[in-house]
Amino acid sequence: GENVEQHPSTLSVQEGDSAVIKCTYSDSASNYFPWYKQELGKRPQLIIDIRSNVGEKKDQRIAVTLNKTAKHFSLHITETQPEDSAVYFCAASKGGSYIPTFGRGTSLIVHP
Amino acid sequence: EADIYQTPRYLVIGTGKKITLECSQTMGHDKMYWYQQDPGMELHLIHYSYGVNSTEKGDLSSESTVSRIRTEHFPLTLESARPSHTSQYLCASMGSGGANEQFFGPGTRLTVL
Repeated sequence: GENVEQHPSTLSVQEGDSAVIKCTYSDSASNYFPWYKQELGKRPQLIIDIRSNVGEKKDQRIAVTLNKTAKHFSLHITETQPEDSAVYFCAASKGGSYIPTFGRGTSLIVHP
Repeated sequence: EADIYQTPRYLVIGTGKKITLECSQTMGHDKMYWYQQDPGMELHLIHYSYGVNSTEKGDLSSESTVSRIRTEHFPLTLESARPSHTSQYLCASMGSGGANEQFFGPGTRLTVL
């Protein structure tokens, strides 16, 4: 089955810095890669996703890159703000399977 | 408003009690899921359903059961709660038509004494 590794488990940055979270996956058939943000005490919510036919996707201060050859994808947050502090989960799934495999999460702390 | 609803939001019970955690969605989604998550930690899939009368067990071994008699309703039942069941339980749903985004409910925080 699919295996998703996520690093780092904790990331501490100063406000205004950039943050990068990396995930690797094992199943080359995976073709959908979402990122979820979970604020303290709240539900996980999708913030950005990418499909395997695209190498990069950007939405304001967040971007996701995908390297299918190396089987890894990354979340990039620029100009971090305290409200970016949360746990971020990556996931991978493939067509025909509606069971995403999640990474173990990254706790991002943005210091004012 | 289309959303996923979970009740109760918080529950404290004694060991050995039978409980049912409710999950309903008004999003018209066919696929529904239950996850167990300690706060801020990884998500463990315990049950899922692709539609009415379809239920499957996930990766996490659990003493719980689910049913899917109606599309919008996916309750989780613990026949005999134990302290090891203390956790947060998240319900989620996913639509059809190629969309793979999951929508999560607000969660039920369960404490078993």
